[in-house]
Amino acid sequence: DQQVKQNSPSLSVQEGRISILNCDYTNSMFDYFLWYKKYPAEGPTFLISISSIKDKNEDGRFTVFLNKSAKHLSLHIVPSQPGDSAVYFCAASEAGAGSYQLTFGKGTKLSVIP
Amino acid sequence: EAGVVQSPRYKIIEKKQPVAFWCNPISGHNTLYWYLQNLGQGPELLIRYENEEAVDDSQLPKDRFSAERLKGVDSTLKIQPAELGDSAVYLCASSPGLAATDTQYFGPGTRLTVL
Repeated sequence: DQQVKQNSPSLSVQEGRISILNCDYTNSMFDYFLWYKKYPAEGPTFLISISSIKDKNEDGRFTVFLNKSAKHLSLHIVPSQPGDSAVYFCAASEAGAGSYQLTFGKGTKLSVIP
Repeated sequence: EAGVVQSPRYKIIEKKQPVAFWCNPISGHNTLYWYLQNLGQGPELLIRYENEEAVDDSQLPKDRFSAERLKGVDSTLKIQPAELGDSAVYLCASSPGLAATDTQYFGPGTRLTVL
């Protein structure tokens, strides 16, 4: 049973427009959420995180929104750039319980079209 | 600052053969992780070390997989014997280890193909 779900395997967006990547989770004990970006033949790279005490966290062009009641988070990239083309993984943990274990979704492949 | 180093980057072996992967974490990082990533899936934790101690190995298939982190720095993950289903990318990550919210930094991974 997948606890972190990324239901869109792929997404295509025009350069300059907004990219919205979605993630749902089922484990109500998750209290810390992250997004990682992965280029081919490289390991995942940390992008942005959010604690469950917040509903929004922003870092430059990247914003993560958390809706705890819906058990849903999203990553917004504005404006999208061709270099953003990668696979994006959503991950979650029970950090408040001291757990270091990240549970990842299957990823969404973003293609930004010039 | 050097990132997490893994070798080899690619490995092709025949089934039933042994194989080993090596990881050098970021300097000063106490916590080291080994993840398995199957095609089209997200990474899944195999084992976590705090210094030399394996503090979470509940998801490591211990009949054929083993790991060690001597002296609390480099780590080796071994599979013996390898099976066809072990074909995947094996990722190593490290974090300072001071808090559960510490960022985990991943290496490039070792892509294993078992024929």
